[in-house]
Amino acid sequence: DTGVSQNPRHKITKRGQNVTFRCDPISEHNRLYWYRQTLGQGPEFLTYFQNEAQLEKSRLLSDRFSAERPKGSFSTLEIQRTEQGDSAMYLCASSPPGQLNTEAFFGQGTRLTVV
Amino acid sequence: GNSVTQMEGPVTLSEEAFLTINCTYTATGYPSLFWYVQYPGEGLQLLLKATKADDKGSNKGFEATYRKETTSFHLEKGSVQVSDSAVYFCALNRDDKIIFGKGTRLHILP
Repeated sequence: DTGVSQNPRHKITKRGQNVTFRCDPISEHNRLYWYRQTLGQGPEFLTYFQNEAQLEKSRLLSDRFSAERPKGSFSTLEIQRTEQGDSAMYLCASSPPGQLNTEAFFGQGTRLTVV
Repeated sequence: GNSVTQMEGPVTLSEEAFLTINCTYTATGYPSLFWYVQYPGEGLQLLLKATKADDKGSNKGFEATYRKETTSFHLEKGSVQVSDSAVYFCALNRDDKIIFGKGTRLHILP
């Protein structure tokens, strides 16, 4: 399977703990996105990379959230000192180089539950 | 800022009925427009897209036309099936930032 891969698929953590999620985009896709989706809502944009450069970060993203894409391939999203309000599905997507404003291909997501 | 507004659900139809899900957008310039679908237990999948005014995207019997004059991208299907039951998201991409609507849940009754 050469789609976008996210790990883990599910994560249950205690409030105050740190968690890290990994996303492996489709090979040769240079753009990578992170989104958050809560029940009954559409995906909310969190941040965006082109290669290893983080080009945009949502104002919704508190200082507890950080994302990296050190070699322009896989990416990690870390949440420090988790809160119950962080419980959501975290989605990663990637898109190929070249055409602007193109579609993105999504992974299955990581479901985070903070207890 | 850029945004997408789509009709709220849930929408419940009988099999073979005609489907319309309304979507309007606000954006500077010329975004690309998309419909994504999320089947139960699965990830988001691209259903169709249109990249410029008057383009019609189509896939699996679904269609949507990019209407710049009304800033709309309504999703239609002439005869729905039970297997079309899912959540449908309208989205736009402007400057490589993809913005989604809140989604419309569709139930098709046999």
